[in-house]
Amino acid sequence: QSALTQPASVSESPGQSITISCTGTSSDVGDFKYVSWYQQHPDKAPKLMIYDVSNRPSGVSNRFSGSKSGNTASLTISGLQAEDEADYYCSSYTSSSTVFGTGTKVTVL
Amino acid sequence: QVQLEESGGGVVQPGRSLRLSCAASGFIFSSYDMHWVRQAPGKGLEWVAVIWYDGSNRYYADSVKGRFTISRDNSKNTLYLQMNSLRAEDTAVYYCARRYCPNGACYNAFDYWGQGTLVTVSS
Repeated sequence: QSALTQPASVSESPGQSITISCTGTSSDVGDFKYVSWYQQHPDKAPKLMIYDVSNRPSGVSNRFSGSKSGNTASLTISGLQAEDEADYYCSSYTSSSTVFGTGTKVTVL
Repeated sequence: QVQLEESGGGVVQPGRSLRLSCAASGFIFSSYDMHWVRQAPGKGLEWVAVIWYDGSNRYYADSVKGRFTISRDNSKNTLYLQMNSLRAEDTAVYYCARRYCPNGACYNAFDYWGQGTLVTVSS
């Protein structure tokens, strides 16, 4: 149950796009379509942004999109806005358990 | 509206026990798998345990297996986490989270989280 690997930080200007990677193994990300992404603002509970690799829950902006290739999943945020500044975590289902990513701090310059 | 409220956190000495509770409201608690997720201060999220909607199955992270027990009382709409043999590395905010099940289908994701309760293991 090793944590999935994410870049520690990503920065970009408002209006631009960023992509956050999430690398696992053939036992988690690579073996299941059950990758989800969470946004967490400081001192707040996480918020579900993407489930099943690329699906958005109702109410989540279509500026957020997800994809997967092999053992790596990705979250793309387009048209970056100030309120997108937060920590982002991926997670993957893996044989009756769940593993989270190491987390990525997104800074809007 | 859906609400999850954790309680029971505090400061505890290494080796001692603590029981966390998560009171659920605003949804049919007995229909949902429930999870505990923790976050050490300044660190990332770590999945801890899951219990199926009817309590028939429970699974744990390797880091807590044999020390923590997840349980639920569907008559009281409450989720529990019994934590024994606590270690310094168990210090974290503990969140309860609901499995995402919109419109009758369920997914391996969490849609509602509580505000968390802080557990500090220190002598």
